[in-house]
Amino acid sequence: GAVVSQHPSRVICKSGTSVKIECRSLDFQATTMFWYRQFPKKSLMLMATSNEGSKATYEQGVEKDKFLINHASLTLSTLTVTSAHPEDSSFYICSAREGTGIRKTQYFGPGTRLLVL
Amino acid sequence: AQKITQTQPGMFVQEKEAVTLDCTYDTSDPSYGLFWYKQPSSGEMIFLIYQGSYDQQNATEGRYSLNFQKARKSANLVISASQLGDSAMYFCAMREGSGGYQKVTFGTGTKLQVIP
Repeated sequence: GAVVSQHPSRVICKSGTSVKIECRSLDFQATTMFWYRQFPKKSLMLMATSNEGSKATYEQGVEKDKFLINHASLTLSTLTVTSAHPEDSSFYICSAREGTGIRKTQYFGPGTRLLVL
Repeated sequence: AQKITQTQPGMFVQEKEAVTLDCTYDTSDPSYGLFWYKQPSSGEMIFLIYQGSYDQQNATEGRYSLNFQKARKSANLVISASQLGDSAMYFCAMREGSGGYQKVTFGTGTKLQVIP
């Protein structure tokens, strides 16, 4: 089956620094990629949806200047948490879908644990 | 081998009937968690229910219950009294590891359609 990878799997950083998380589709072209944040009570919040070559669409309440998303190619999307603060500590999960149709299967990455000190 | 397997790409259920969505998992980690999420057409992921590997009882949340059979490594979601608003994609997921070394795996999802 299709594979989506995330790098790094775990990152610890100091408050005020920026962190970049990569999401790659390894054996298919991901026209659409999604970024989610999983909270301690297990809810999974959609942060943004990005289509290759265009700007990401952010969900309400998500600061686009803080969470920069770049979907530069059909196999790579990056999420940069700028000026990270302890409240940004979370588990970030990306997902990729081949094509734009909602009937297409969505594949999820293994997640990235971010801890901001 | 697939870590999370959802064998039903699509399911139909009559309104007010119960439906079971299948999920099997594979892990050698003794400590893990199992989740079910609902994804409507908007793309958001709605958390439904959670089962820890050491939980003695099957998890229940309103109309949702998780039929956890540890020996068979299955974690089927049961939705009772289906409603039209239950029509959506449903994803089963497993979280393994502890502390900072955690990994989550999602199944490929089951599309549920509730028929009036």
